[in-house]
Amino acid sequence: DADVTQTPRNRITKTGKRIMLECSQTKGHDRMYWYRQDPGLGLRLIYYSFDVKDINKGEISDGYSVSRQAQAKFSLSLESAIPNQTALYFCATSDKTGAHTDTQYFGPGTRLTVL
Amino acid sequence: AQKVTQAQTEISVVEKEDVTLDCVYETRDTTYYLFWYKQPPSGELVFLIRRNSFDEQNEISGRYSWNFQKSTSSFNFTITASQVVDSAVYFCALRTQGGSEKLVFGKGTKLTVNP
Repeated sequence: DADVTQTPRNRITKTGKRIMLECSQTKGHDRMYWYRQDPGLGLRLIYYSFDVKDINKGEISDGYSVSRQAQAKFSLSLESAIPNQTALYFCATSDKTGAHTDTQYFGPGTRLTVL
Repeated sequence: AQKVTQAQTEISVVEKEDVTLDCVYETRDTTYYLFWYKQPPSGELVFLIRRNSFDEQNEISGRYSWNFQKSTSSFNFTITASQVVDSAVYFCALRTQGGSEKLVFGKGTKLTVNP
């Protein structure tokens, strides 16, 4: 079984709808991240969480919210989806080396289309 | 600010050719980490290697090798005797310590290996 799973893998929704993307991990990592990938732009950080009680905004958090339900689960919500949120979304997890982030491992991605 | 530049947008080679993917990074931090990830057509992001700023030793793993040179701020990736299965988008990424410890990605190089 995959260490980092994302559901759904593909989703088509309409403008204005609320949608939740879910991420689960079995790696036992404390740190979790949400990135989005747009063609030609690489990946950009939306939100990150260093533990269940520590959630922080990334560089492009507007229009998104997150919930860290447990160490293993980190959900990303779009409260009112808009077309420019069409992208490939990745969840990543990381252990710590001392006080710092170790290698980040990515889930398989969720392809979201907002019509 | 941190930045990663992958100047080669697309590369096309014939199977068994050697190919080098370039990566140039910018950071003012003295401690940082460099990564390469592979994104095959199926879309997932696969971790390939991590290199610490204080370790300039080059690494070889099978047909893959990495050349890290702090003097030129480069972390280049060479595939020897390329195969069709190497076709993918390859991302170079940089992480510094502190703050979100997010990955800063280059825009990727799309490698096509033709039979």
